[in-house]
Amino acid sequence: QVHLVQSGAEVKKPGASVKVSCKASGYTFTGYYLHWVRQAPGQGLEWMGWINPNSGGTNYAQKFQGRVTMTRDTSISTAYMELSRLKSDDTAVYYCARGQQQLLRGEDYWGQGTLVTVSS
Amino acid sequence: QSVLTQPPSASGTPGQRVTISCSGSSSNIGSNPVNWYQQLPGTAPKLLIYGNNQRPSGVPDRFSGSKSDTSASLAISGLQSEDEADYYCEAWGASLNGPVFGGGTTLTVL
Repeated sequence: QVHLVQSGAEVKKPGASVKVSCKASGYTFTGYYLHWVRQAPGQGLEWMGWINPNSGGTNYAQKFQGRVTMTRDTSISTAYMELSRLKSDDTAVYYCARGQQQLLRGEDYWGQGTLVTVSS
Repeated sequence: QSVLTQPPSASGTPGQRVTISCSGSSSNIGSNPVNWYQQLPGTAPKLLIYGNNQRPSGVPDRFSGSKSDTSASLAISGLQSEDEADYYCEAWGASLNGPVFGGGTTLTVL
């Protein structure tokens, strides 16, 4: 049974960084891309980027380039998303989601989400 | 403003058939397949339709998807109260860097 379990809620001050973890189980971690998607309060979904857990290769949405870093630790089947220079409009629920093996076919398993609140 | 355009709301009565549209361009929907997600209140999105019209296992056949040129539609037949949720369309851009989402449609079952 596939599970993605994310780290707990965070409260950060503007200008700080946050690192969210996503622990995978129930499948071969290195066999599927992992995406990060965020959702601001009352808003829609916004794709941030993906990581290839096998190679460590990443691809970030242009909006987040220079502020986001996605990494993984294959020994514990865990992916990480770090967002720096936080602003108030980074307040959102951050999700990790597994990409289907066939590219372009959506994300079939999602973590429970991690609420990141940015407030002074 | 989202790259893919969806109506903000839709509604229907139990048993009815409703459709939700998703409009894009030649650089996303026109080039790549469309996926749909259902998000129940307070939960993570769930993949509902992938590859324009394929259902993951466990998704009832009341849900169906279609695509034509630069637009796509999600149809829900035999509407049920538990279908009340937000629905999002998704497609990758032509550059294949990553997906873009629609702004979401809130479905109300009257």
